[in-house]
Amino acid sequence: AQSVTQLDSQVPVFEEAPVELRCNYSSSVSVYLFWYVQYPNQGLQLLLKYLSGSTLVKGINGFEAEFNKSQTSFHLRKPSVHISDTAEYFCAVSVRGATNKLIFGTGTLLAVQP
Amino acid sequence: DVKVTQSSRYLVKRTGEKVFLECVQDMDHENMFWYRQDPGLGLRLIYFSYDVKMKEKGDIPEGYSVSREKKERFSLILESASTNQTSMYLCASRLQGLGSPLHFGNGTRLTVT
Repeated sequence: AQSVTQLDSQVPVFEEAPVELRCNYSSSVSVYLFWYVQYPNQGLQLLLKYLSGSTLVKGINGFEAEFNKSQTSFHLRKPSVHISDTAEYFCAVSVRGATNKLIFGTGTLLAVQP
Repeated sequence: DVKVTQSSRYLVKRTGEKVFLECVQDMDHENMFWYRQDPGLGLRLIYFSYDVKMKEKGDIPEGYSVSREKKERFSLILESASTNQTSMYLCASRLQGLGSPLHFGNGTRLTVT
């Protein structure tokens, strides 16, 4: 069975510092990978996705992620965070050839402090 | 822009009541989903629908049912609400295809007392 692991439940960081949110997945077949963001009192919205091709994917709001097949990871990075980036971030995976489902991680709360 | 609208933002219901959560999308998406979100557990799939009148159980379907009579509308039904169904419920839709992203509504926070 496929699974997604986000080891960090909360990541505190100061404004303008770099940040990395970690995501590892388990799957023996090809996958599609996603990062979603949830701002307070809102639904989730797509940050970026990896379907194929270049392993470095750029998303909205200056975020990027790198797909590493050998390490089964898809870590999210931003070189300089803002207060407005404070939100919960979810990594998700869907598997080619499987049923039409997306498996989510448990989320990482990014808390940006001034 | 895709819009997914959940009819209620907050709901308070009593144990044993029948509860309907409604979701409407305006982009002619084939697939629609119901998730519940709980702290520390992330999002868990309750049911999804890949076409009108078609549905498939997700990971936690017990105590829930769904209805999709029209393409744009997907309803989640709690036949007899219980306190352990107190949660945030998120509806989502997307085009057919595993690589298509989900579009979410803003959620319904349900409290069962």
